[in-house]
Amino acid sequence: GAVVSQHPSRVICKSGTSVKIECRSLDFQATTMFWYRQFPKQSLMLMATSNEGSKATYEQGVEKDKFLINHASLTLSTLTVTSAHPEDSSFYICSAGLAGGNTDTQYFGPGTRLTVL
Amino acid sequence: AQSVTQLDSHVSVSEGTPVLLRCNYSSSYSPSLFWYVQHPNKGLQLLLKYTSAATLVKGINGFEAEFKKSETSFHLTKPSAHMSDAAEYFCVVTFSGGYNKLIFGAGTRLAVHP
Repeated sequence: GAVVSQHPSRVICKSGTSVKIECRSLDFQATTMFWYRQFPKQSLMLMATSNEGSKATYEQGVEKDKFLINHASLTLSTLTVTSAHPEDSSFYICSAGLAGGNTDTQYFGPGTRLTVL
Repeated sequence: AQSVTQLDSHVSVSEGTPVLLRCNYSSSYSPSLFWYVQHPNKGLQLLLKYTSAATLVKGINGFEAEFKKSETSFHLTKPSAHMSDAAEYFCVVTFSGGYNKLIFGAGTRLAVHP
């Protein structure tokens, strides 16, 4: 149980375009979802925390107008990278916490590799 | 402030020998500590977690970790490495209560040789 999927797994886009990444909790409801970014050979850095039905909370240094997060339902959160540039190329990972479950436990998606040309 | 330091970026062991991945943490609050494993092109998988119960925590796949408050450490061990253990391992800290931020260490890449 507690499976999180991401779509797409890989995406290549041209500079200036926008890219949407979906994160879904397949077999559970997630009140809170998290978006991370991982540069090559580096650790995960939290970008933002999203709660279903409310605005996301962004970490310091993360541009909320560039990384749009929507958490419209208990099973889906989306991250849209707007006007992507090569420096946005990275591995984006989402995680989800069980609604009403142990607040320390997050379930991670497999990640989305974004390459901006 | 909470932080976590993984002392080794790379660890290489022979199959069948013990594994030790080191982690030290800093936390002003009672910490919750985790070890996650990341295989290539796969999501992070929780190996084990410490949340102020027993200091020796047993996880999946034969891994265990010991919380030592006096040393602010949470090292991950396994008695005998298997080829399938080769992966990236992350030590993670958060403080208890609510949905709190997971703070990741830099990661340790474990290589297992025949």
